[in-house]
Amino acid sequence: DAKTTQPNSMESNEEEPVHLPCNHSTISGTDYIHWYRQLPSQGPEYVIHGLTSNVNNRMASLAIAEDRKSSTLILHRATLRDAAVYYCISGANSKLTFGKGITLSVRP
Amino acid sequence: NAGVTQTPKFRILKIGQSMTLQCAQDMNHNYMYWYRQDPGMGLKLIYYSVGAGITDKGEVPNGYNVSRSTTEDFPLRLELAAPSQTSVYFCASSNQGGETQYFGPGTRLLVL
Repeated sequence: DAKTTQPNSMESNEEEPVHLPCNHSTISGTDYIHWYRQLPSQGPEYVIHGLTSNVNNRMASLAIAEDRKSSTLILHRATLRDAAVYYCISGANSKLTFGKGITLSVRP
Repeated sequence: NAGVTQTPKFRILKIGQSMTLQCAQDMNHNYMYWYRQDPGMGLKLIYYSVGAGITDKGEVPNGYNVSRSTTEDFPLRLELAAPSQTSVYFCASSNQGGETQYFGPGTRLLVL
């Protein structure tokens, strides 16, 4: 798996958009970019994934740079329930590597 | 669908004791995984399985054993518990490797 780099933490205000960055400069052409999040005292849950094109689902959007060396997870309107650790992972095989992730705090 | 279930939710072990952490999934997934998560850290892969009868080591396999006799079940065995194995253990499954992984609620293990 390619190594990813994320900031340690980020703060946001409730109902405002949040942009969570991730660098994956060593990503290979077949590696997908996955985002998971982990709410307090729970197991990780899938958020979104993509390969080259930007992706949207009911939870978030994923914007992938043209050179694929970075991506941004976008939460369009943060809620207090979005406070969690967000993991950016790149890989094509079964051994996804979860780093420390980025801790998102949401202010009411 | 119950998804991925894990038992027990919490357990205290004495040093040197053994135990089996249970994991089951009802999604007919081929791949199953065991991770551990130490406080404030990310998840580390212990073992994984690509199908019944096939298992392979992850990043931190020492002190653990697994078996996969059925598609549904993937138990994790600790033979001689050590304080360093105090952690939260998560089981996950996916249809294929690299696809979305679905996680269980975790087992919190304390070794004293």
